[in-house]
Amino acid sequence: EIVMTQSPATLSVSPGERATLSCRASQSVSSNLAWYQQKPGQAPRLLIYGASTRATGIPARFSGSGSGTEFTLTISSLQSEDFAVYYCQQYNNWPRTFGQGTRLEIK
Amino acid sequence: EVQLVESGGGLVKPGGSLRLSCAASGFTFSSYSMNWVRQAPGKGLEWVSSISSSSSYIYYADSVKGRFTISRDNAKNSLYLQMNSLRAEDTAVYYCARDSAAGKGGCDYWGQGTLVTVSS
Repeated sequence: EIVMTQSPATLSVSPGERATLSCRASQSVSSNLAWYQQKPGQAPRLLIYGASTRATGIPARFSGSGSGTEFTLTISSLQSEDFAVYYCQQYNNWPRTFGQGTRLEIK
Repeated sequence: EVQLVESGGGLVKPGGSLRLSCAASGFTFSSYSMNWVRQAPGKGLEWVSSISSSSSYIYYADSVKGRFTISRDNAKNSLYLQMNSLRAEDTAVYYCARDSAAGKGGCDYWGQGTLVTVSS
């Protein structure tokens, strides 16, 4: 099983600033990586697939990069609605696995 | 509009069984692989199971293999999860999620989830 490790567990950032979230895979997943956003009481929302392609309707301030084992989600200028928990997921191998999440909180 | 609506959750005793359903609408259900993903209270997301569009390919997490069975009825636009031999650690919100179209990746639509509580 591929283990996905996200860092940091919690990130405190001020509105308008940039946030950088990391995800590491225990073995290569090529570019078969997705990022999700989840707000309290809501289902996850797909942000990024293919490591760097924004899903439909996702604002341009969200960007993804990386391949192989190291991935990054960057939010260029944080808006109030961006404070949430973010998960990465690999879909290169079965079982599909999620990272443990990064909580993005207001500083 | 794509909609996924889960049902069937509830309180069940350890060792008991439950069948979850997911009603799909707003898209050609028979063209998409589908998934169950769960989230224990206050915890992260855990992928549970996936089924291909024609049910030819089925996958399970080790934590549920041999106890849970995923199935679908394309004529009824419905996805199911039969859960047997339930344990306290199966307590979670269970989400039904659609795989993105071929060539993309991840799950692009999710239901609102149904809560399963396993407790005596």
